[in-house]
Amino acid sequence: DGGITQSPKYLFRKEGQNVTLSCEQNLNHDAMYWYRQDPGQGLRLIYYSQIVNDFQKGDIAEGYSVSREKKESFPLTVTSAQKNPTAFYLCASSMGQGQASNQPQQFGDGTRLSIL
Amino acid sequence: AQTVTQSQPEMSVQEAETVTLSCTYDTSESDYYLFWYKQPPSRQMILVIRQEAYKQQNATENRFSVNFQKAAKSFSLKISDSQLGDAAMYFCAYRSRGSGTYKYIFGTGTRLKVLA
Repeated sequence: DGGITQSPKYLFRKEGQNVTLSCEQNLNHDAMYWYRQDPGQGLRLIYYSQIVNDFQKGDIAEGYSVSREKKESFPLTVTSAQKNPTAFYLCASSMGQGQASNQPQQFGDGTRLSIL
Repeated sequence: AQTVTQSQPEMSVQEAETVTLSCTYDTSESDYYLFWYKQPPSRQMILVIRQEAYKQQNATENRFSVNFQKAAKSFSLKISDSQLGDAAMYFCAYRSRGSGTYKYIFGTGTRLKVLA
């Protein structure tokens, strides 16, 4: 079955450390996304990518970086510049434009990041 | 820019009763898609229902139906015969149908409690 795999499920970060969250999809989706969710809050878009080797900042990109070297993979790095990284991170993917845009995003199971 | 508003942070419903969650959006576009997602305590994001703006007929999926009022830019979700398993956060989302537009805009969510 196709789907989105996020790893790890739980991650702890020390002060001054960069950490990378993995997101892999085998749905052959063009677009991939990273969201941050704080307790009791909605989803805030960090970065998204419409095509390999291209990505755009979302609403809260500061302190984060991404890459899209392969269609299947969209890792998110939480850098030491992100002073409040404790949150739940969701990766999603979707088909591209045109008729396919009526397809919903599909989500991974998330990664919970905490500060040590 | 498009916005999505969910004005009810929390709602309660008695088991077997009906509840309606509200969602309004702002857009200057005429062609777009609307979605309702459910996020149970497991934090998985599950698609509940979708609506295409060019279709006048309201979407229905079993106990879930929408009241789509395009002129009023309103997209409410009705849950009939509520069950304990319906307890979750519910998010309304918007996506443009225009080419090159891959972003989904989410509301802040409504937490639904189901009372036994």
